[in-house]
Amino acid sequence: GEDVEQSLFLSVREGDSSVINCTYTDSSSTYLYWYKQEPGAGLQLLTYIFSNMDMKQDQRLTVLLNKKDKHLSLRIADTQTGDSAIYFCAETLGGSQGNLIFGKGTKLSVKP
Amino acid sequence: DSGVTQTPKHLITATGQRVTLRCSPRSGDLSVYWYQQSLDQGLQFLIQYYNGEERAKGNILERFSAQQFPDLHSELNLSSLELGDSALYFCASSVGTGVDSPLHFGNGTRLTVT
Repeated sequence: GEDVEQSLFLSVREGDSSVINCTYTDSSSTYLYWYKQEPGAGLQLLTYIFSNMDMKQDQRLTVLLNKKDKHLSLRIADTQTGDSAIYFCAETLGGSQGNLIFGKGTKLSVKP
Repeated sequence: DSGVTQTPKHLITATGQRVTLRCSPRSGDLSVYWYQQSLDQGLQFLIQYYNGEERAKGNILERFSAQQFPDLHSELNLSSLELGDSALYFCASSVGTGVDSPLHFGNGTRLTVT
């Protein structure tokens, strides 16, 4: 069945890089997404990658996609305390945006 | 601010009751989506509307229904509420329906059923 797996927790020191990993199951997923959720807020789209790309960089964020292993990662360079949040990986099923399958989220804690 | 407005922010009600959650999408967005976020199930897609028509259905219970009005706002109706319906309900909107049309989420309505 469809499933997106993420580790639940990650703790890093301020200034270090954070790498959040995700595995997905649907090989037909055309886009893969990373969302950020801060306490008491909705999900904020951080970045997304088309499935024919291996990498996408956007300022401090780098997304790596290994389509063969169905593995997606989000690297945050120079992690700041303001990056503390829950990060969700999501895949689409088929061509419909509505069928977004989310992982359970990785809680990133950044220690000063 | 995503531009998606959800009301109310919090709702406390008793089992067996019925509630209505409201969502105003971003200006110009035609698609509205409803998601449920709970601790055990995570984020679950419920239903999608596009320009007033139902477009896709996910794990939505028969006790739940939704609609999108001509002004594009949407309402999610939850009836015969059970304790297990306690969750955060998110609305999201997007311009279109394709996978290249990212979702923008509201801040959610926290429903507590007692």
